[in-house]
Amino acid sequence: EIVLTQSPGTLSLSPGERGTLSCRASQSVSSNYLAWYQQKVGQAPRLLISDASTRATGIPDRFSGSGSGTDFTLTISRLEPEDLAVYYCQQYGNSPLTFGGGTKVEIK
Amino acid sequence: DVQLLESGGGLVQPGGSLRLSCAVSGLTFNSYAMTWVRQAPGKGLEWVSAISGNGDSTYYADSVEGRFTISRDNSKVTLYLQMNGLRAEDTAIYYCAKVAPTGYYFDYWGQGTLVTVSS
Repeated sequence: EIVLTQSPGTLSLSPGERGTLSCRASQSVSSNYLAWYQQKVGQAPRLLISDASTRATGIPDRFSGSGSGTDFTLTISRLEPEDLAVYYCQQYGNSPLTFGGGTKVEIK
Repeated sequence: DVQLLESGGGLVQPGGSLRLSCAVSGLTFNSYAMTWVRQAPGKGLEWVSAISGNGDSTYYADSVEGRFTISRDNSKVTLYLQMNGLRAEDTAIYYCAKVAPTGYYFDYWGQGTLVTVSS
């Protein structure tokens, strides 16, 4: 099983700041099959990024994904107050499907 | 609009059973694999089970293999999760989600249904 480790656990940013969220895999993710989700309090997760770097429909371009192999990054270029949420990575290149533990983004 | 609506959650005693349903609208249901993902209170996401579009192939996490059964009725555009032998650690919000056409990531999610296993 691929274990995904997300860091930091909590990220505190001011509006307009750039945020970098990390997702590290215990072994290489096949074909860079990695997705990112945003989950706001009391809501279901929402797909942001698939295939490590492809934004989902309707996702603002301030969200971008990058990386390959075992190291992946979600970048929020200019934080908006509505970006307050927990962000999860998920790999789908290997069975079983696994999620990271999440990074909570706080607004300063 | 694609909509997924879960139902069937509730309080059940350890060892008991529960069947969750997920009614889907706004898409050609039998064209897509579907999945269940759960989230224990205050915890992260855990993939539980998935099923192919025609229902012929099913997949389970080790933690539920042999206790949970995923199924679908394409004529009723509904996904199911039969949960037997429930344990306290199965307590969670259970989300149904649609599997994307190009890979096993999840592009549409329901709002979830809470399952509480407690005596």
